[in-house]
Amino acid sequence: AQSVAQPEDQVNVAEGNPLTVKCTYSVSGNPYLFWYVQYPNRGLQFLLKYITGDNLVKGSYGFEAEFNKSQTSFHLKKPSALVSDSALYFCAVRDSNSGYALNFGKGTSLLVTP
Amino acid sequence: GAGVSQTPSNKVTEKGKYVELRCDPISGHTALYWYRQSLGQGPEFLIYFQGTGAADDSGLPNDRFFAVRPEGSVSTLKIQRTERGDSAVYLCASSLGGARETQYFGPGTRLLVL
Repeated sequence: AQSVAQPEDQVNVAEGNPLTVKCTYSVSGNPYLFWYVQYPNRGLQFLLKYITGDNLVKGSYGFEAEFNKSQTSFHLKKPSALVSDSALYFCAVRDSNSGYALNFGKGTSLLVTP
Repeated sequence: GAGVSQTPSNKVTEKGKYVELRCDPISGHTALYWYRQSLGQGPEFLIYFQGTGAADDSGLPNDRFFAVRPEGSVSTLKIQRTERGDSAVYLCASSLGGARETQYFGPGTRLLVL
C-alpha cells in the first residue's frame, strides 16, 4: 500500500524568507514523487517530480525538492518566498509496484505575508 | 498548447438525478485519469484509462459511477442516482503513456447535489 503524509495543515512565511513544505511517504516499491500547487477555484498545477537520479529536483517558479530515501521524505523548498506563492500545495506518490494512480496528501496551505 | 479541459465547470443537480461530466485531454496523451476532491482533502483516484479501455477502476466508489472513453480521447464520467455525498470537485488529468509520466490536470467540475 502507498500513502503520503503532509504533517502541516498551514505554513506561514514572511516574504523573502525561505519556505519548506513537508511531505513523507510510504511505498512498497520505488517511489515516484510529485508536487502540485492549487490556486483558489483552479485545478492542480504541476511543480516538479522525482523519478530517479539526483536527489535534489528543481521545478517551476523557483521551487525545488529533496528526495531523502532514509527518511522517506520529499520536502518542497524555495529560497525566497513571494506573496504570490500563497496557495495550497499537494504532495503525491506513485508506487512502482502499484498502478498508475497518484496517492495525494491532504494538502498544506502556504501563506506568505508581505 | 491547449491543456486539459472539463465541462461543465459547475453542475447543480437534485438528489437522484443522472449527471455526465466531460473531459478533453491534452492532444496526444494516451492516458486519462479521473479523481474526486472533497472539501479540505487531496484528490482521490477514481479510474484510469489507457487508450479506450479502463486499465484500473479500483477507485470507483460504487456501481453508480462509471466512465467511458470510446475513441481514446474524450472521456465522460457518469453518475447515476446522485446522492448528496457525491458533491465534490471532479478532476480529470491526462499524461503520455509511461509509468513515469507527469499527470496534467484540468480545472475540474464542481458538482453540487441538492
